[in-house]
Amino acid sequence: NAGVTQTPKFRILKIGQSMTLQCTQDMNHNYMYWYRQDPGMGLKLIYYSVGAGITDKGEVPNGYNVSRSTTEDFPLRLELAAPSQTSVYFCASSPSRPGLDFGETQYFGPGTRLLVL
Amino acid sequence: AQSVTQLDSHVSVSEGTPVLLRCNYSSSYSPSLFWYVQHPNKGLQLLLKYTSAATLVKGINGFEAEFKKSETSFHLTKPSAHMSDAAEYFCVGLTGGGNKLTFGTGTQLKVEL
Repeated sequence: NAGVTQTPKFRILKIGQSMTLQCTQDMNHNYMYWYRQDPGMGLKLIYYSVGAGITDKGEVPNGYNVSRSTTEDFPLRLELAAPSQTSVYFCASSPSRPGLDFGETQYFGPGTRLLVL
Repeated sequence: AQSVTQLDSHVSVSEGTPVLLRCNYSSSYSPSLFWYVQHPNKGLQLLLKYTSAATLVKGINGFEAEFKKSETSFHLTKPSAHMSDAAEYFCVGLTGGGNKLTFGTGTQLKVEL
């Protein structure tokens, strides 16, 4: 299994441009997540999905959109890039809720580093 | 809702000495807690997890954490630091009815010779 893969690894955008960050997992996990990581701020949840066709907002959803048409893919869309969206973006997946008694955990992708100038 | 607070943003230890990374949590119910590690330019890796079983949890690479309800703490320890332990460590709790993880702000561990 490749696990969770993300593309691209690094991207520079101009203000106002749009792009899609790709995330794919081959573990047949129902749950998928998008986080952003800013220095000294830990990870903040942007959006998450509990299954194909179902998405929900996290802590910092403004400026982003997601879709979940298949179990494997969970792309993150930036429509009008802003400097405040400069960050490292992590996608994660888990087979079920990450806090169940048997302790399912989240598996993270390697991250996408985005710079908006 | 549950939250976690990492008390130190940076910790520096000498190789071979003990490591202590502190985390306090707040929760109105029995929490699920995790420690993740992130090495430079890498993704996050699970070190260990607590889900209301044994209060002393052993993880990978010699790390362990003890859940102390009376102190609302879940500190991460290791008896002897190694240079390869230098990384950022995140204490993580559960929110959103068990659907979402909440990350602490991270502790940067530096290991010196």
